[in-house]
Amino acid sequence: DTAVSQTPKYLVTQMGNDKSIKCEQNLGHDTMYWYKQDSKKFLKIMFSYNNKELIINETVPNRFSPKSPDKAHLNLHINSLELGDSAVYFCASSQAGRSGNTIYFGEGSWLTVV
Amino acid sequence: AQTVTQSQPEMSVQEAETVTLSCTYDTSESDYYLFWYKQPPSRQMILVIRQEAYKQQNATENRFSVNFQKAAKSFSLKISDSQLGDAAMYFCAYRSAWNDMRFGAGTRLTVKP
Repeated sequence: DTAVSQTPKYLVTQMGNDKSIKCEQNLGHDTMYWYKQDSKKFLKIMFSYNNKELIINETVPNRFSPKSPDKAHLNLHINSLELGDSAVYFCASSQAGRSGNTIYFGEGSWLTVV
Repeated sequence: AQTVTQSQPEMSVQEAETVTLSCTYDTSESDYYLFWYKQPPSRQMILVIRQEAYKQQNATENRFSVNFQKAAKSFSLKISDSQLGDAAMYFCAYRSAWNDMRFGAGTRLTVKP
C-alpha cells in the first residue's frame, strides 16, 4: 500500500489553464506538506497543514491554493498556470511534534506547462 | 532561518569504493533532526538515514553511515562498498522539533563500474 499517494503523476497543460493535484496519506499523520522541486532540483516548502489548518505558507503566488478537506488529504489547486510553474510537486506527511521527525514523500507530480 | 549547505554539486566514486558527501547547516536551536534523502531518476524521495541531534552516536544503516559533528554543524554521509544503484541525487535535510524540513541543494553522485 502506498503511504503517500498523489495524482496525477504526469500533467501537461497549456498556459492559463487551471489544474489540481490531489494527495492522500494513509499513515495517520496529522501534518501534510507541498514541496516544489524546480529544474535545478532545488526542493522548497510551499505549504504545511496541521489538522486541516494552514501553518506554513511560504512566499508562493496566490494562484496556488491548497485545500485540506480532512487531515488525510491535501490538494493543490493552481490557477492561470504559467511557464515557470513547470516543476515536480511533492506531497508529504509527518506526525506533528517530536515523535514525527521524519517526513514521508509521495512519488511526485511532474507538471509541464506549455 | 535555518540553512543547509551542500558544497559538492557532483561527486563520483568507483564501484565498491567509499565516498563521503558533505553537508553543513546553520541553526540556533539545540533540538533538531538531520536526514539524508536519496532521489534516483524516478524522482522519488527515499529516506536513507536520519540522526537526532541529542544523540552523540552516529547513525548507521547498512552501507550508509554519518559523521555528525554537532559543534561544527556538520553532517556528512559515507557510502561504503558503493553500488551502481547508489547513483542518484542526495539531499541533506534539517528539521527542528516543531517545524518543516529544509533541504540543501543536493549532490549528484555518479558510480563508475
